[in-house]
Amino acid sequence: EADIYQTPRYLVIGTGKKITLECSQTMGHDKMYWYQQDPGMELHLIHYSYGVNSTEKGDLSSESTVSRIRTEHFPLTLESARPSHTSQYLCASSASGDTDTQYFGPGTRLTVL
Amino acid sequence: GQNIDQPTEMTATEGAIVQINCTYQTSGFNGLFWYQQHAGEAPTFLSYNVLDGLEEKGRFSSFLSRSKGYSYLLLKELQMKDSASYLCAVVDSNYQLIWGAGTKLIIKP
Repeated sequence: EADIYQTPRYLVIGTGKKITLECSQTMGHDKMYWYQQDPGMELHLIHYSYGVNSTEKGDLSSESTVSRIRTEHFPLTLESARPSHTSQYLCASSASGDTDTQYFGPGTRLTVL
Repeated sequence: GQNIDQPTEMTATEGAIVQINCTYQTSGFNGLFWYQQHAGEAPTFLSYNVLDGLEEKGRFSSFLSRSKGYSYLLLKELQMKDSASYLCAVVDSNYQLIWGAGTKLIIKP
């Protein structure tokens, strides 16, 4: 089973605050991903990375940033949280192949008041 | 545009068999994944199909027809723990995963 971790698991924060969601994996995977998922809805790709110093934007990236300084670490930052950011954030990783399986962390449930 | 269709919700009885369908229209095709997601938890990998046909893995089987843009997940001998959402995801021509909204499966005793 995959070893991928996210912190915090739950976060309640006020509007305008800057927050960073942490994601780490111990599998040595090159590729990492951030998804946003609302209940009963599909996953939306926010950002992804092919490896160290590589970051790419997904469908919903305009209000967040990521960095990939180390292979195992892929944090997501919201500069100014808004109620519309309330959602479940899922981090995933995969090996370097084009169709390799993505393994997910447990998720962070974010609520912005 | 790219589109993946799955039924929103299905109900089945413990011990029975259920088939969850997925149809897709994507720009290219490089494989199809099925994931299971329990409420409030992360998706977990079930299967990957890239060639036509049926692949069996224990109580779960997955079928693919590329010419019809169609896949299904077959769950046999249903157990209460199989109550979850089942997500279909297609790898498109850019090797990006396109996700369906998932099918919520409710198992009744």
